[in-house]
Amino acid sequence: DAGVTQSPTHLIKTRGQQVTLRCSPKSGHDTVSWYQQALGQGPQFIFQYYEEEERQRGNFPDRFSGHQFPNYSSELNVNALLLGDSALYLCASSPAVGGSTDTQYFGPGTRLTVL
Amino acid sequence: AQSVTQLGSHVSVSEGALVLLRCNYSSSVPPYLFWYVQYPNQGLQLLLKYTSAATLVKGINGFEAEFKKSETSFHLTKPSAHMSDAAEYFCAVTTGYSTLTFGKGTMLLVSP
Repeated sequence: DAGVTQSPTHLIKTRGQQVTLRCSPKSGHDTVSWYQQALGQGPQFIFQYYEEEERQRGNFPDRFSGHQFPNYSSELNVNALLLGDSALYLCASSPAVGGSTDTQYFGPGTRLTVL
Repeated sequence: AQSVTQLGSHVSVSEGALVLLRCNYSSSVPPYLFWYVQYPNQGLQLLLKYTSAATLVKGINGFEAEFKKSETSFHLTKPSAHMSDAAEYFCAVTTGYSTLTFGKGTMLLVSP
């Protein structure tokens, strides 16, 4: 049973560019959440997708957008990259039923470096 | 809004010593609380979670945590540290729909 997978593992971009990160959820999970983890900090919630729609959003600007596909996989897009966007981006999946007590399973992350 | 405070960005213990990592939460509603561990260059792995059942929660790798409502705490303990426990530990609280609010993390250092 494959866990949460993310691609690519590492990515280097320059300021002003756009980037797309990808996530495949754990088998049987239909909800995907994205988190940003800056160096030395805890992960911060970006947004969550369920049934191909954004269900919740954290305190991130509109430069951060996402998408969920019918097979539940998801993409995170960041436009007009800033140096401060350099971070580890984590994807987590969970089943829709069960609510707040459900465990979120995390992928290994994508390390984004903006130069 | 809910929040988590982890006391101590770094904790150092000797192998075989007690591990105590502190977490205090703030929540206007009964919280669900989690501890995750992160090894270098890896994602997060769930250690244990509190979901309003037993206040003493046992997790993987010998870790446990006790929910104390009066102290708004959810401290993580392990009786005897192993070298393999060296990692960063995050306490988190839910904010609905399983989204998590994390603390800033505590790096556990284990010396031989």
